[in-house]
Amino acid sequence: DTEVTQTPKHLVMGMTNKKSLKCEQHMGHRAMYWYKQKAKKPPELMFVYSYEKLSINESVPSRFSPECPNSSLLNLHLHALQPEDSALYLCASSRYGTISPANEQFFGPGTRLTVL
Amino acid sequence: ELKVEQNPLFLSMQEGKNYTIYCNYSTTSDRLYWYRQDPGKSLESLFVLLSNGAVKQEGRLMASLDTKARLSTLHITAAVHDLSATYFCAVDNTGTASKLTFGTGTRLQVTL
Repeated sequence: DTEVTQTPKHLVMGMTNKKSLKCEQHMGHRAMYWYKQKAKKPPELMFVYSYEKLSINESVPSRFSPECPNSSLLNLHLHALQPEDSALYLCASSRYGTISPANEQFFGPGTRLTVL
Repeated sequence: ELKVEQNPLFLSMQEGKNYTIYCNYSTTSDRLYWYRQDPGKSLESLFVLLSNGAVKQEGRLMASLDTKARLSTLHITAAVHDLSATYFCAVDNTGTASKLTFGTGTRLQVTL
């Protein structure tokens, strides 16, 4: 299995809702990432998990809460989002948890989130 | 703070023509990646460049890295319509896990 999967593909939620995004990989990768991408912009890093521990939080608002239950799974819990949080949320994984000669990141298909 | 810039931001080119996309970055790094993104889709890894002078080729695309100039190029040879997409370079320069900083992206449109 050489892919990163994400569910759901699309999500529409109100500002008072609580929802979760799910990401899964079975490549034995030890680092997993959440990115946010607005239309016509590059992806922006949100969180990095390295060996199932949160290693980077790019000053993301607390209404986004990441969770890494095991080495294959990564969740992003959403609560009280704002309309400006509408974006494509991408999950990625890479083989190594720390810097290495080549730590290529492989991206999932993304979840397109709309906040009403 | 690492900054990664690409130019041009938008490129319209005819089929059969050659062109180069440039990626400049502001701090020392010897790990640079190129990705392709089709509209509404995810990012597909194209090239991994890990050292000064690295050159990789796949089909009509060739990428190179000059770490001294902090410059990478993506050269397109004899463009075809299927190459229409947005191309991002990304630079990795941290000490704990890989933190990619993406370039601004180049939207390539290949016309008949």
